Amino acid sequence: GENVEQHPSTLSVQEGDSAVIKCTYSDSASNYFPWYKQELGKGPQLIIDIRSNVGEKKDQRIAVTLNKTAKHFSLHITETQPEDSAVYFCAASIHTGNQFYFGTGTSLTVIP
Amino acid sequence: SAVISQKPSRDICQRGTSLTIQCQVDSQVTMMFWYRQQPGQSLTLIATANQGSEATYESGFVIDKFPISRPNLTFSTLTVSNMSPEDSSIYLCSVGNTGELFFGEGSRLTVL
Repeated sequence: GENVEQHPSTLSVQEGDSAVIKCTYSDSASNYFPWYKQELGKGPQLIIDIRSNVGEKKDQRIAVTLNKTAKHFSLHITETQPEDSAVYFCAASIHTGNQFYFGTGTSLTVIP
Repeated sequence: SAVISQKPSRDICQRGTSLTIQCQVDSQVTMMFWYRQQPGQSLTLIATANQGSEATYESGFVIDKFPISRPNLTFSTLTVSNMSPEDSSIYLCSVGNTGELFFGEGSRLTVL
C-alpha cells in the first residue's frame, strides 16, 4: 500500500518568513495530493490540492509543488502570519478513489 | 464544499459505556467516512459508511466495537462501544465528493 512521509514534524518561523513542508509517497499510482490545515480544536480543512498532471499550483500565499519522478510534493507558505500557526497534513490518493493516506503532520508556529 | 455537522463536539465518558456520534451533511454525498485521530497523531480511517448496507471496516477496526449506521445520503452515526481510556480520541466524520475529502469539526472523546 501507499506510504506517505512528512517532514519536519515541527517548524518555527518568524512572521513574514517562508515555511516549507515536504512529503514523499511510495505508490506511483497516486495522482491526487491534498493539504489540510488543522487549527486547535477543529477538524482538518482542505487548503490546497494538486493533481498529477500539474507541477505547481498557487493560491495567494500558498503554493504546492509536485515532482512525480521523485515522488515528492511540498507546501510553501510565503509571508507567514500568526494565523498560519496550525498543524498541516499532507495526503495522497488515487483521485476518485476512497483511500487517502495521510502524513504524520507538521506543527507550524509563526512567531510574531 | 458540503457543510458537515457533528454532535457531540466533545464528551467525557465513563469506562465501559458507549457513545454515539452523529454526522449530518447539508447535501447528499456519495461517500462518508469515519476517522480517528489520537492525541498528537495523524488521521486513521476507521470505516467507510455505506448507505443502506454494512460499513466497510479497515484493518484493526471491527463492527462490534464501532457500529456504524448510514440510513440515507446525508446522515451517519458512529458508536464507540464499551469504551476504555485508549478510546480517548477525536473522531472525525468526512465526506468525499468528486475525489476530494472534507472533514467535520470532530468529536473529542475523553474516557475516564
